[in-house]
Amino acid sequence: DAKTTQPPSMDCAEGRAANLPCNHSTISGNEYVYWYRQIHSQGPQYIIHGLKNNETNEMASLIITEDRKSSTLILPHATLRDTAVYYCIVLNAGNMLTFGGGTRLMVKP
Amino acid sequence: DGGITQSPKYLFRKEGQNVTLSCEQNLNHDAMYWYRQDPGQGLRLIYYSQIVNDFQKGDIAEGYSVSREKKESFPLTVTSAQKNPTAFYLCASRTVNTDTQYFGPGTRLTVL
Repeated sequence: DAKTTQPPSMDCAEGRAANLPCNHSTISGNEYVYWYRQIHSQGPQYIIHGLKNNETNEMASLIITEDRKSSTLILPHATLRDTAVYYCIVLNAGNMLTFGGGTRLMVKP
Repeated sequence: DGGITQSPKYLFRKEGQNVTLSCEQNLNHDAMYWYRQDPGQGLRLIYYSQIVNDFQKGDIAEGYSVSREKKESFPLTVTSAQKNPTAFYLCASRTVNTDTQYFGPGTRLTVL
């Protein structure tokens, strides 16, 4: 599976959009981009995933560049409860999730 | 109320003792997984099971054992052979039609 690169930490003001970047320059054509988050001392929570097209659900939006070498997770109106570690994972169908270091997002009042 | 439950939330054990962590799901998922997480680190796969009565080793299976006698249950035993068992243990499950895994709340094991 392709490796991902994420900034180790980011800050965001409460109520503003949080844009979390992820680089996956070695992604192959049939690999999906998955996002999970983990709030302290809890199990990871699935957020969203996509292949080529942008995706949106009740939690977030996922923007994947046309060349698929990077993506951005957008939390449109961050709240204090969105403070967590966000993991970007590239996954080939049928393979295992591999969690890297992720981005520690701190939402500040 | 559907989901994945893990018990207990906190577990303490004396060095040299075996301990079993529970994982139950009522999502009718076929595959189940056990991960270990150390402080400030990502998750590492211990064991997984795609169907009942079958399971495979993950990246760090040494010192652990599992069983899958029922679709709903996938208990993990941490044996005395595991040299550094203190960690946060996470169970997950998924259906065969998707790669999306859903996680339980975790069990924090501390060896005294």
